[in-house]
Amino acid sequence: GQSLEQPSEVTAVEGAIVQINCTYQTSGFYGLSWYQQHDGGAPTFLSYNALDGLEETGRFSSFLSRSDSYGYLLLQELQMKDSASYFCAVRDRRDDKIIFGKGTRLHILP
Amino acid sequence: EAGVAQSPRYKIIEKRQSVAFWCNPISGHATLYWYQQILGQGPKLLIQFQNNGVVDDSQLPKDRFSAERLKGVDSTLKIQPAKLEDSAVYLCASSLAGDGYTFGSGTRLTVV
Repeated sequence: GQSLEQPSEVTAVEGAIVQINCTYQTSGFYGLSWYQQHDGGAPTFLSYNALDGLEETGRFSSFLSRSDSYGYLLLQELQMKDSASYFCAVRDRRDDKIIFGKGTRLHILP
Repeated sequence: EAGVAQSPRYKIIEKRQSVAFWCNPISGHATLYWYQQILGQGPKLLIQFQNNGVVDDSQLPKDRFSAERLKGVDSTLKIQPAKLEDSAVYLCASSLAGDGYTFGSGTRLTVV
């Protein structure tokens, strides 16, 4: 089966940097994705890592270590609009489905 | 490109009633997913379609939930009869192979 672990809540200050970690267990790992979800909204795709290393997209970066079954999402220059829930999700090689973690609620203080 | 369309946006029903949700994926996206998201939790996959065939429905409560995707485009998800614990947001998503998902806005179901 598959399982993902991420912190339930993280608090950071506006303008700062925050890292959200994710560890996973899966029998057919294909890649790790990150999604952002604002209250009342749908999840929106942020990034995808299939290979080890860092992927950067503007203020957001995502890292993957396949040997450690670990990844993280790094958010820089935090803005109040970044207050949301962030989900890591693993893509299963066998059937192309994506399994989501329980999400990390990011609180940003002014 | 147009996004994933879902309707209705909100629905309130009494327990034991039936309800149906509709989804129109992004044009050309062969894979369609229905997820259930209970408040405070991550989305849980209910069913995955590839064109009009079911790839995975292992977590679909088949005694009360059903889904179909006729002609490999639109899809409907039905609950009959509904229970209180079915209160959740039902998200439809579509994808091209190898890409991230695009989610619809979801249908917020309240069962009273």
